[in-house]
Amino acid sequence: AQSVTQLDSHVSVSEGTPVLLRCNYSSSYSPSLFWYVQHPNKGLQLLLKYTSAATLVKGINGFEAEFKKSETSFHLTKPSAHMSDAAEYFCVVSDTSGTYKYIFGTGTRLKVLA
Amino acid sequence: NAGVTQTPKFQVLKTGQSMTLQCAQDMNHNSMYWYRQDPGMGLRLIYYSASEGTTDKGEVPNGYNVSRLNKREFSLRLESAAPSQTSVYFCAIPRGNPGTNEQFFGPGTRLTVL
Repeated sequence: AQSVTQLDSHVSVSEGTPVLLRCNYSSSYSPSLFWYVQHPNKGLQLLLKYTSAATLVKGINGFEAEFKKSETSFHLTKPSAHMSDAAEYFCVVSDTSGTYKYIFGTGTRLKVLA
Repeated sequence: NAGVTQTPKFQVLKTGQSMTLQCAQDMNHNSMYWYRQDPGMGLRLIYYSASEGTTDKGEVPNGYNVSRLNKREFSLRLESAAPSQTSVYFCAIPRGNPGTNEQFFGPGTRLTVL
């Protein structure tokens, strides 16, 4: 069975400093992994995805994530935070064995301080 | 949110009332999903449909029924609403093959049960 753990429910950074949002996963099969962002009172937007190609995945708005199989991690990073990055971020693992399910983490709320 | 529409956008119910949330897609995709989002809990799968005429339970199906009468529409019904069903409900479809590809989400329905 698949599961995903977002290790921090809240992260605060100063504008211009690096962002690290941590995600660990568990999967019986080769997983697909995704990061979504949700701004306040908005819908979900895909940031990036890993689907067994390159382990370092680049996404929109300067975000990237590295798939580390040995550590079962898929952490999201950005070199320099912007005020507009303040939002909630969700790590998602999907089942590629054919059950069609996507499992969401509980989310990390990113706060960016001026 | 292109291609996935949800109605209504907002709804207030009294305990015990019933209602149906509607989701429609114009992307001709086989799979459709219903999630609920609650603070601190991420998105949890209520039901999904792998194809027209089939439905399967997700993580939190109790208190809900679904109907997939055609390829385009997937409805979620609350037969007797309870305050615990106060939530934001999202419909989603995968962009391509489910599991391998990310999901598109509808704009959501914000439901309050008094």
